[in-house]
Amino acid sequence: GAGVSQSPSNKVTEKGKDVELRCDPISGHTALYWYRQRLGQGLEFLIYFQGNSAPDKSGLPSDRFSAERTGESVSTLTIQRTQQEDSAVYLCASSLVPRTADSPLHFGNGTRLTVT
Amino acid sequence: GENVEQHPSTLSVQEGDSAVIKCTYSDSASNYFPWYKQELGKGPQLIIDIRSNVGEKKDQRIAVTLNKTAKHFSLHITETQPEDSAVYFCAASRYGGSQGNLIFGKGTKLSVKP
Repeated sequence: GAGVSQSPSNKVTEKGKDVELRCDPISGHTALYWYRQRLGQGLEFLIYFQGNSAPDKSGLPSDRFSAERTGESVSTLTIQRTQQEDSAVYLCASSLVPRTADSPLHFGNGTRLTVT
Repeated sequence: GENVEQHPSTLSVQEGDSAVIKCTYSDSASNYFPWYKQELGKGPQLIIDIRSNVGEKKDQRIAVTLNKTAKHFSLHITETQPEDSAVYFCAASRYGGSQGNLIFGKGTKLSVKP
């Protein structure tokens, strides 16, 4: 079946502009995660949604970052007043149940954000 | 919180040789340890995982070992092939707790030379 879909695949924006990144999880997956991956680095946790529970926002690096998810469907990650340090690949993942205990994370191919 | 260290950062092997990647973790409550493979331009994909009640798990040419006492786990790839070339990430997590996220290592870039 269809995997996790992210759009756009690439985004170039000017410093100071706002950007919105979209993630379509696998149908039926209740848990959704956003990670940031800087060039040559590991995956940095940003935010986690599980069903209708309050999201775990503990990884968001500043108040310029926010994310929303409606129910168990699409999520959007918004970065306001982008800075050059925001340049990275933003990865979305979903899983059938939380905690990956019996359901692994399925990642999308990411959105490569470049802030000029 | 949890911290995961991964070594080496780069690894180059000859086709047919074995490759070993090691990770250590800090949170003794972590009990789930997956490994992900990331090919260029793609998202990471799970290749194998292990839970803390098991010391070793094998799937064809890939195996993972876990030492809970020492808080380290390793990925072993035998009979490496050029298509094994990728970046490999280890991760650690507690399940059954309140956290939702995996903590990842910084990755190992594996190059298999034909």
